[in-house]
Amino acid sequence: DSGVTQTPKHLITATGQRVTLRCSPRSGDLSVYWYQQSLDQGLQFLIQYYNGEERAKGNILERFSAQQFPDLHSELNLSSLELGDSALYFCASSVAAQGYGYTFGSGTRLTVV
Amino acid sequence: GENVEQHPSTLSVQEGDSAVIKCTYSDSASNYFPWYKQELGKRPQLIIDIRSNVGEKKDQRIAVTLNKTAKHFSLHITETQPEDSAVYFCAALYGNNRLAFGKGNQVVVIP
Repeated sequence: DSGVTQTPKHLITATGQRVTLRCSPRSGDLSVYWYQQSLDQGLQFLIQYYNGEERAKGNILERFSAQQFPDLHSELNLSSLELGDSALYFCASSVAAQGYGYTFGSGTRLTVV
Repeated sequence: GENVEQHPSTLSVQEGDSAVIKCTYSDSASNYFPWYKQELGKRPQLIIDIRSNVGEKKDQRIAVTLNKTAKHFSLHITETQPEDSAVYFCAALYGNNRLAFGKGNQVVVIP
């Protein structure tokens, strides 16, 4: 167990729907990062939060949004889902705003049908 | 831009031999380079990392070397074992806060 908790582990939903993925960082970590992993694109950075504030944004679609709450857990919201959104979504956490020593959660496998 | 490239994409080695995976990065300001191992269906796990103030770091059978001038770094696995079979990702720190990952190398250790 890495200490980073992601729920749910698996999610199957239909096109056009909206889902929420949840991540609880390791105790003491203030930064949360979201990544999308698909077979042909590797690990793509989506967004980073540090202590409740958005810190950096990557290739995140407008249909996707995220936030980090006062208790430091984070949620990634995916809306108007398309078949191409099917992927593994990982969150990672680190102590500081700098990205040293990421620890990844076990991921949420999203399947859009 | 944030570009990290890994070579080769797939590597097969005989058990007991060495494996070497190379990565190149584009941003000369990057100063932190970790390697992650991902077994099938599992999360990426940090196996070794290096900062730009050193040229080499070892941890038992794993080592990483860094050439900042050429902007490349390599993972070396010696005395490979079947449990080393996995996908290995290199990464580079960009903007001082996030990692950009390569697309991964599939390493297959043949018993």
